Amino acid sequence: GENVEQHPSTLSVQEGDSAVIKCTYSDSASNYFPWYKQELGKGPQLIIDIRSNVGEKKDQRIAVTLNKTAKHFSLHITETQPEDSAVYFCAASKIQGGKLIFGQGTELSVKP
Amino acid sequence: EAGVAQSPRYKIIEKRQSVAFWCNPISGHATLYWYQQILGQGPKLLIQFQNNGVVDDSQLPKDRFSAERLKGVDSTLKIQPAKLEDSAVYLCASSSPTRGLEAFFGQGTRLTVV
Repeated sequence: GENVEQHPSTLSVQEGDSAVIKCTYSDSASNYFPWYKQELGKGPQLIIDIRSNVGEKKDQRIAVTLNKTAKHFSLHITETQPEDSAVYFCAASKIQGGKLIFGQGTELSVKP
Repeated sequence: EAGVAQSPRYKIIEKRQSVAFWCNPISGHATLYWYQQILGQGPKLLIQFQNNGVVDDSQLPKDRFSAERLKGVDSTLKIQPAKLEDSAVYLCASSSPTRGLEAFFGQGTRLTVV
């Protein structure tokens, strides 16, 4: 069935370092890949997304890359700040369906 | 623009009791989702509505869970009877194909079954 694997489950970095989170998906029909940030006690909030016709997308300190052949996509955060500390989820969906299949989450801790 | 509203924020019930959650999506969003998020895991879709019709309820435990979306706006999710393993955060989200692909999430309802 549809599945999204996410690694690592926890990630600790020093402020200013980069952080990379990786995901793989199983359904080759998936063509929309959002990343969500979830802070304690809050719902997930979209931080960046990518469609299958694009290999890379950047938004300030955040970038996402997609390799459709390998069914991999990754989140890159540069110049990390303490406020980046949160749980990050990758997800995949078929655009028409809209249903999101989430990864297991990565707890990112940025130490000052 | 107001976000997705959910209530209550927290609920504690005993097993075998019933409980209901309410969701008001962003105005104009035709698609509404209910996700279950167990502690330490990613959200899992329970049911998806398009207006007031069900698009996907394949992961909804229909012997105890039910959901409705009357008039294509607000939605309620009910659990009856609750089990210990139903302890989770129940997230409501909404989206609109005419306004991009993003699903906007509410803050969720944290359910504890004791």
